[in-house]
Amino acid sequence: DSGVTQTPKHLITATGQRVTLRCSPRSGDLSVYWYQQSLDQGLQFLIQYYNGEERAKGNILERFSAQQFPDLHSELNLSSLELGDSALYFCASSPQTRTQETQYFGPGTRLLVL
Amino acid sequence: GQQLNQSPQSMFIQEGEDVSMNCTSSSIFNTWLWYKQDPGEGPVLLIALYKAGELTSNGRLTAQFGITRKDSFLNISASIPSDVGIYFCAGRSRGSQGNLIFGKGTKLSVKP
Repeated sequence: DSGVTQTPKHLITATGQRVTLRCSPRSGDLSVYWYQQSLDQGLQFLIQYYNGEERAKGNILERFSAQQFPDLHSELNLSSLELGDSALYFCASSPQTRTQETQYFGPGTRLLVL
Repeated sequence: GQQLNQSPQSMFIQEGEDVSMNCTSSSIFNTWLWYKQDPGEGPVLLIALYKAGELTSNGRLTAQFGITRKDSFLNISASIPSDVGIYFCAGRSRGSQGNLIFGKGTKLSVKP
Protein backbone atom coordinates (compact mmCIF):
# COMPACT_ATOMS: atom_id res chain seq x y z
CA ASP A 1 0.00 0.00 0.00
CA SER A 2 1.60 3.24 -1.22
CA GLY A 3 -0.56 5.47 0.96
CA VAL A 4 -2.08 7.16 -2.10
CA THR A 5 -5.81 6.56 -2.48
CA GLN A 6 -7.95 6.97 -5.58
CA THR A 7 -11.68 6.76 -6.12
CA PRO A 8 -13.55 5.35 -7.83
CA LYS A 9 -11.69 2.18 -8.78
CA HIS A 10 -13.83 1.63 -11.87
CA LEU A 11 -15.96 4.01 -13.90
CA ILE A 12 -18.14 3.24 -16.90
CA THR A 13 -19.74 6.11 -18.77
CA ALA A 14 -20.91 7.18 -22.20
CA THR A 15 -19.36 9.42 -24.82
CA GLY A 16 -20.00 13.08 -24.25
CA GLN A 17 -20.28 12.72 -20.50
CA ARG A 18 -18.18 14.30 -17.76
CA VAL A 19 -16.51 12.47 -14.87
CA THR A 20 -14.41 13.41 -11.85
CA LEU A 21 -11.61 11.28 -10.49
CA ARG A 22 -10.37 11.83 -6.97
CA CYS A 23 -6.97 11.35 -5.39
CA SER A 24 -5.69 11.70 -1.82
CA PRO A 25 -1.90 11.91 -1.59
CA ARG A 26 0.28 10.29 1.05
CA SER A 27 0.27 12.08 4.36
CA GLY A 28 2.69 15.00 4.19
CA ASP A 29 3.14 14.95 0.41
CA LEU A 30 2.52 18.31 -1.22
CA SER A 31 2.80 17.32 -4.87
CA VAL A 32 0.20 15.41 -6.83
CA TYR A 33 0.71 14.11 -10.36
CA TRP A 34 -1.84 12.68 -12.76
CA TYR A 35 -0.98 10.09 -15.40
CA GLN A 36 -2.92 8.33 -18.12
CA GLN A 37 -2.05 4.77 -19.05
CA SER A 38 -3.44 3.28 -22.22
CA LEU A 39 -2.39 0.09 -23.95
CA ASP A 40 -0.63 1.71 -26.86
CA GLN A 41 0.79 4.81 -25.15
CA GLY A 42 2.13 3.59 -21.86
CA LEU A 43 2.19 5.98 -18.91
CA GLN A 44 1.77 9.59 -19.97
CA PHE A 45 2.18 12.51 -17.62
CA LEU A 46 -0.85 14.81 -17.61
CA ILE A 47 -0.44 17.47 -14.95
CA GLN A 48 1.20 18.27 -11.61
CA TYR A 49 0.00 20.32 -8.66
CA TYR A 50 2.11 21.47 -5.76
CA ASN A 51 0.49 22.77 -2.61
CA GLY A 52 -2.63 23.86 -4.45
CA GLU A 53 -1.02 25.41 -7.49
CA GLU A 54 -0.48 24.03 -10.95
CA ARG A 55 3.22 23.28 -11.39
CA ALA A 56 3.61 21.56 -14.71
CA LYS A 57 1.55 20.40 -17.64
CA GLY A 58 2.19 17.43 -19.84
CA ASN A 59 0.07 15.89 -22.55
CA ILE A 60 -3.23 16.98 -21.08
CA LEU A 61 -6.15 17.65 -23.41
CA GLU A 62 -8.13 20.87 -23.15
CA ARG A 63 -11.19 18.79 -22.26
CA PHE A 64 -9.37 17.69 -19.11
CA SER A 65 -8.70 19.82 -16.06
CA ALA A 66 -7.52 19.28 -12.52
CA GLN A 67 -7.27 21.06 -9.21
CA GLN A 68 -5.73 20.53 -5.81
CA PHE A 69 -7.67 21.58 -2.75
CA PRO A 70 -6.44 23.09 0.54
CA ASP A 71 -6.50 19.65 2.17
CA LEU A 72 -4.17 18.57 -0.69
CA HIS A 73 -6.51 16.09 -2.30
CA SER A 74 -6.82 16.46 -6.04
CA GLU A 75 -9.50 15.95 -8.64
CA LEU A 76 -9.12 15.27 -12.34
CA ASN A 77 -12.10 16.32 -14.42
CA LEU A 78 -12.63 14.74 -17.83
CA SER A 79 -15.34 16.23 -20.01
CA SER A 80 -16.87 15.59 -23.45
CA LEU A 81 -15.56 12.08 -23.14
CA GLU A 82 -14.55 10.14 -26.21
CA LEU A 83 -13.98 6.43 -26.73
CA GLY A 84 -10.25 7.04 -26.83
CA ASP A 85 -10.28 8.41 -23.29
CA SER A 86 -10.79 4.88 -21.98
CA ALA A 87 -7.68 4.17 -19.95
CA LEU A 88 -6.25 3.76 -16.50
CA TYR A 89 -5.75 7.06 -14.71
CA PHE A 90 -3.17 7.14 -11.97
CA CYS A 91 -2.42 9.69 -9.35
CA ALA A 92 1.00 9.86 -7.71
CA SER A 93 2.35 11.97 -4.89
CA SER A 94 5.73 13.07 -3.67
CA PRO A 95 7.09 15.20 -0.83
CA GLN A 96 8.64 17.59 -3.35
CA THR A 97 11.81 18.20 -1.45
CA ARG A 98 15.16 18.73 -3.16
CA THR A 99 16.44 15.23 -2.50
CA GLN A 100 13.28 13.18 -2.34
CA GLU A 101 11.84 13.17 -5.82
CA THR A 102 10.30 9.72 -5.74
CA GLN A 103 6.68 9.45 -6.81
CA TYR A 104 4.34 6.95 -5.15
CA PHE A 105 1.39 5.77 -7.20
CA GLY A 106 -2.18 5.09 -6.23
CA PRO A 107 -4.09 2.01 -7.40
CA GLY A 108 -5.66 3.88 -10.32
CA THR A 109 -9.12 4.47 -11.73
CA ARG A 110 -10.10 2.38 -14.73
CA LEU A 111 -12.29 4.46 -17.03
CA LEU A 112 -14.34 2.85 -19.75
CA VAL A 113 -16.16 5.12 -22.20
CA LEU A 114 -18.86 3.36 -24.22
CA GLY B 1 10.80 15.56 -27.06
CA GLN B 2 12.52 13.32 -24.57
CA GLN B 3 12.28 9.61 -25.20
CA LEU B 4 13.05 6.54 -23.17
CA ASN B 5 13.86 3.27 -24.87
CA GLN B 6 13.31 0.29 -22.64
CA SER B 7 14.37 -3.20 -23.62
CA PRO B 8 13.55 -5.93 -23.94
CA GLN B 9 9.82 -5.42 -24.48
CA SER B 10 9.10 -8.83 -23.05
CA MET B 11 10.93 -11.82 -21.72
CA PHE B 12 10.20 -15.24 -20.39
CA ILE B 13 11.84 -16.48 -17.26
CA GLN B 14 12.29 -19.79 -15.60
CA GLU B 15 12.43 -19.86 -11.85
CA GLY B 16 15.98 -19.34 -10.68
CA GLU B 17 17.17 -17.43 -13.75
CA ASP B 18 18.76 -14.02 -13.58
CA VAL B 19 17.00 -11.23 -15.49
CA SER B 20 18.38 -8.03 -16.93
CA MET B 21 16.63 -5.06 -18.54
CA ASN B 22 17.73 -1.55 -19.40
CA CYS B 23 16.64 1.90 -20.41
CA THR B 24 18.35 4.53 -22.50
CA SER B 25 17.33 8.14 -22.90
CA SER B 26 17.87 10.75 -25.56
CA SER B 27 18.89 13.28 -22.93
CA ILE B 28 20.67 13.46 -19.60
CA PHE B 29 18.64 12.50 -16.53
CA ASN B 30 19.28 13.35 -12.90
CA THR B 31 16.92 10.73 -11.53
CA TRP B 32 16.17 7.15 -12.54
CA LEU B 33 13.37 5.15 -10.97
CA TRP B 34 12.33 1.54 -11.49
CA TYR B 35 8.74 0.48 -10.92
CA LYS B 36 6.86 -2.82 -11.10
CA GLN B 37 3.21 -2.98 -12.07
CA ASP B 38 0.92 -5.94 -11.54
CA PRO B 39 -2.27 -6.25 -13.61
CA GLY B 40 -4.93 -3.77 -12.50
CA GLU B 41 -2.66 -2.15 -9.95
CA GLY B 42 -0.60 1.01 -9.79
CA PRO B 43 3.17 1.01 -10.34
CA VAL B 44 5.11 0.20 -7.20
CA LEU B 45 8.50 1.79 -6.67
CA LEU B 46 11.36 -0.72 -6.55
CA ILE B 47 14.53 1.35 -6.65
CA ALA B 48 15.39 5.06 -6.91
CA LEU B 49 18.73 6.35 -8.22
CA TYR B 50 19.94 9.94 -7.89
CA LYS B 51 23.64 9.97 -8.80
CA ALA B 52 25.59 8.90 -11.88
CA GLY B 53 27.32 5.60 -11.21
CA GLU B 54 25.10 4.82 -8.24
CA LEU B 55 24.46 1.11 -7.72
CA THR B 56 21.57 0.27 -5.42
CA SER B 57 20.10 -3.04 -4.31
CA ASN B 58 16.71 -3.98 -2.95
CA GLY B 59 16.78 -7.66 -2.04
CA ARG B 60 17.32 -9.61 -5.24
CA LEU B 61 17.01 -6.45 -7.35
CA THR B 62 19.97 -4.31 -8.32
CA ALA B 63 19.84 -1.15 -10.40
CA GLN B 64 22.50 1.22 -11.64
CA PHE B 65 22.50 4.83 -12.80
CA GLY B 66 24.71 4.92 -15.88
CA ILE B 67 27.87 7.02 -15.92
CA THR B 68 26.70 8.87 -19.03
CA ARG B 69 23.47 9.78 -17.16
CA LYS B 70 21.57 8.53 -20.20
CA ASP B 71 20.97 4.96 -19.17
CA SER B 72 20.05 2.65 -16.34
CA PHE B 73 19.70 -1.07 -15.88
CA LEU B 74 17.80 -3.35 -13.54
CA ASN B 75 18.90 -6.87 -12.67
CA ILE B 76 16.82 -9.48 -10.88
CA SER B 77 18.75 -12.42 -9.51
CA ALA B 78 17.37 -15.91 -8.92
CA SER B 79 13.89 -15.04 -10.21
CA ILE B 80 10.79 -16.42 -8.54
CA PRO B 81 7.22 -16.71 -9.88
CA SER B 82 6.06 -13.52 -8.11
CA ASP B 83 8.58 -11.52 -10.15
CA VAL B 84 6.16 -11.79 -13.07
CA GLY B 85 4.73 -8.41 -14.06
CA ILE B 86 5.61 -5.31 -16.03
CA TYR B 87 8.72 -3.35 -15.09
CA PHE B 88 8.96 0.31 -15.97
CA CYS B 89 11.92 2.61 -15.92
CA ALA B 90 11.24 6.28 -15.40
CA GLY B 91 13.53 9.25 -15.53
CA ARG B 92 13.60 12.93 -14.84
CA SER B 93 15.87 15.53 -16.36
CA ARG B 94 17.04 18.76 -14.78
CA GLY B 95 14.47 21.47 -15.24
CA SER B 96 11.60 19.09 -15.92
CA GLN B 97 9.86 20.27 -12.76
CA GLY B 98 9.32 16.82 -11.39
CA ASN B 99 7.75 15.29 -14.47
CA LEU B 100 8.69 11.68 -15.01
CA ILE B 101 9.12 10.15 -18.42
CA PHE B 102 8.31 6.45 -18.53
CA GLY B 103 9.65 3.67 -20.69
CA LYS B 104 7.09 1.42 -22.35
CA GLY B 105 7.84 -1.41 -19.95
CA THR B 106 9.35 -4.87 -19.93
CA LYS B 107 6.82 -7.63 -19.48
CA LEU B 108 8.17 -10.56 -17.49
CA SER B 109 6.35 -13.86 -17.96
CA VAL B 110 6.99 -17.40 -16.84
CA LYS B 111 8.24 -19.90 -19.40
CA PRO B 112 5.65 -22.55 -20.15
